[in-house]
This record gives sequence, C-alpha cells and structure tokens, in this order.
Amino acid sequence: SQTIHQWPATLVQPVGSPLSLECTVEGTSNPNLYWYRQAAGRGLQLLFYSVGIGQISSEVPQNLSASRPQDRQFILSSKKLLLSDSGFYLCAWSVPTLGLAGGYGANVLTFGAGSRLTVL
Amino acid sequence: AQSVTQPDIHITVSEGASLELRCNYSYGATPYLFWYVQSPGQGLQLLLKYFSGDTLVQGIKGFEAEFKRSQSSFNLRKPSVHWSDAAEYFCAVARYSSASKIIFGSGTRLSIRP
Repeated sequence: SQTIHQWPATLVQPVGSPLSLECTVEGTSNPNLYWYRQAAGRGLQLLFYSVGIGQISSEVPQNLSASRPQDRQFILSSKKLLLSDSGFYLCAWSVPTLGLAGGYGANVLTFGAGSRLTVL
Repeated sequence: AQSVTQPDIHITVSEGASLELRCNYSYGATPYLFWYVQSPGQGLQLLLKYFSGDTLVQGIKGFEAEFKRSQSSFNLRKPSVHWSDAAEYFCAVARYSSASKIIFGSGTRLSIRP
C-alpha cells in the first residue's frame, strides 16, 4: 500500500534562518507531488506541484522553493524565513492519470500529516 | 485565473438538520471537482469527486454534491447531520487544461448544535 511521510512535524525557526521540509511517498511510482500551506481563514494555498523529477510548477512568487531530487521525494526550502512563512504545510500526492480532454488528468490527493512551522 | 469560492466561513446547524455548503468556481469549462473534509486532529480526507457524467455524485458518510454548470457551482449536501460531521470542509477544482494543478477554496467550518 502507499504511504506518505512528512517531516518534521513541528518546527520553530527564527526569522532569517533556512528551512527544509521533506516529503516522501512509498509504494508508488512517478506520483504527482504537491506542497500546500494552510493558514487560518485562507484555506489551502497551492505552493508547488510536480509531475516528474525536475518538473516543478510554482504558484507562489515568494521566498520559498521546491525540489524533487528523486521520483518520490519532494522538498520545500527557504534560504531566509519571514514571519509570514508561519503556517501548516501539507505535502500530498496523487496517481497521475490521462485527462478527459487529453494531457494530464486530475486525481484524488492523499495528504501527509503536515508540518507546523512557527517563525519567530 | 482559476479560483474557488466558498462564501460561508462558518456554519452552525442543529444535529439532525439538513446541510448545504456552497462552492463556486471561476472557469468557463467543466472542471474536475472535489470535496475534502478535515476533522479536528485528523488529516484531509476525500468526501467525493466529480469528473464527468451524472451531475449528482454520492460520497462517503452520507454526503452528496451536485454539479450545476449554469451556476458554476458544486454544492455539498447532507440530509441529516451528525455531531461527528463537525469539521472543516474544502472544495477543490482543477481545470481540464492543467489538471495537475488543484486549487482549494478557503474552507467552511461546520459546527453542530446539540
């Protein structure tokens, strides 16, 4: 069966420090991978998604970056954290599918347990 | 740009009463549509999805949703809520043309009155 691991679960970091959150998926190949941030009253904000190694789509033009060094590994990073980076970060994966209109399709997301980041 | 609107931030209903949570999207064509639930202390779980076909879809826990193209809506319903339905509910949308990009609404928090 497929499982998703996300760590660390909790992180308290000073402003200006670097960040690395890691997510790995087991039991599947070539998954679509996602990073979302959940802040109170703002729902889940899509940060990055990836349909393959080295293929990263960015939705947030801020000081965060993502990398996919291996097929089932997705890393969220920052060189210098801001106070506004505080939040609950969720990694998710889905099985890639063929789209109804060609190209890629959408599929059900399976979420990790999340990483709560507090920037002080 | 693709967007999802959940106009109700917080809804309180009595146990046993019916429920409807609203979701509207801004996209001209039929998208992929989802409803997820996040219970206190638990992760996000899929309730139901609509990709094509019958516009009324059934999900888990007695929930259903109806896709209305003319209203760009995908509202979630349940005929009789239970105290365990208290949670946060999220609508999500993906466009056919870039279906890997799944956008979520801001969520609706549901409280149940005993």
